[in-house]
Amino acid sequence: GAVVSQHPSWVICKSGTSVKIECRSLDFQATTMFWYRQFPKQSLMLMATSNEGSKATYEQGVEKDKFLINHASLTLSTLTVTSAHPEDSSFYICSAGLAGDRDEQFFGPGTRLTVL
Amino acid sequence: RKEVEQDPGPFNVPEGATVAFNCTYSNSASQSFFWYRQDCRKEPKLLMSVYSSGNEDGRFTAQLNRASQYISLLIRDSKLSDSATYLCVVAREAYGNKLVFGAGTILRVKS
Repeated sequence: GAVVSQHPSWVICKSGTSVKIECRSLDFQATTMFWYRQFPKQSLMLMATSNEGSKATYEQGVEKDKFLINHASLTLSTLTVTSAHPEDSSFYICSAGLAGDRDEQFFGPGTRLTVL
Repeated sequence: RKEVEQDPGPFNVPEGATVAFNCTYSNSASQSFFWYRQDCRKEPKLLMSVYSSGNEDGRFTAQLNRASQYISLLIRDSKLSDSATYLCVVAREAYGNKLVFGAGTILRVKS
């Protein structure tokens, strides 16, 4: 099946620093990738849709200047949390779907961010 | 009102039991429906898609009632390995992609 990787799997940083998370589709090309955030005991919340070669589409309430998304190739999307604060501590998960397949999305293993 | 609502549980059941989870969704235009499984501190994994006619995959049966905007998942002969959080997921748009997740129902299967 299709495999999506994320790096790093976990990161601890100081408040005010920026953190970059990479999402890669390993064995397929993904024109669209999705970024989610999950706080403890809550559901995954879609943050933004990352489109290869164009600007990301952000969900309501998600600050585009704080969560920078770059989708430079068909296999890589990056999410940069700028000037991270403790309230940004969360589980960040990306997903990608196969072109033309409206059903399944393949999720990366997630990145656990802790901001001190 | 949340777009996708689930009973958070936990459902504590013995091995071999049959357990059912329910989910309701608010957007009547939703077209695609899924059940995902999420283990603690892991990413969600697709368990099964849900079709109007209902579908079965081994011990798992999913049903969709569009009129009531209601989705169900039935697990028969529960195994210890079924312990997880089960996420009801709805695609917002007609052709998939933007997924809305329920908060999940916790299942604990005990020996």
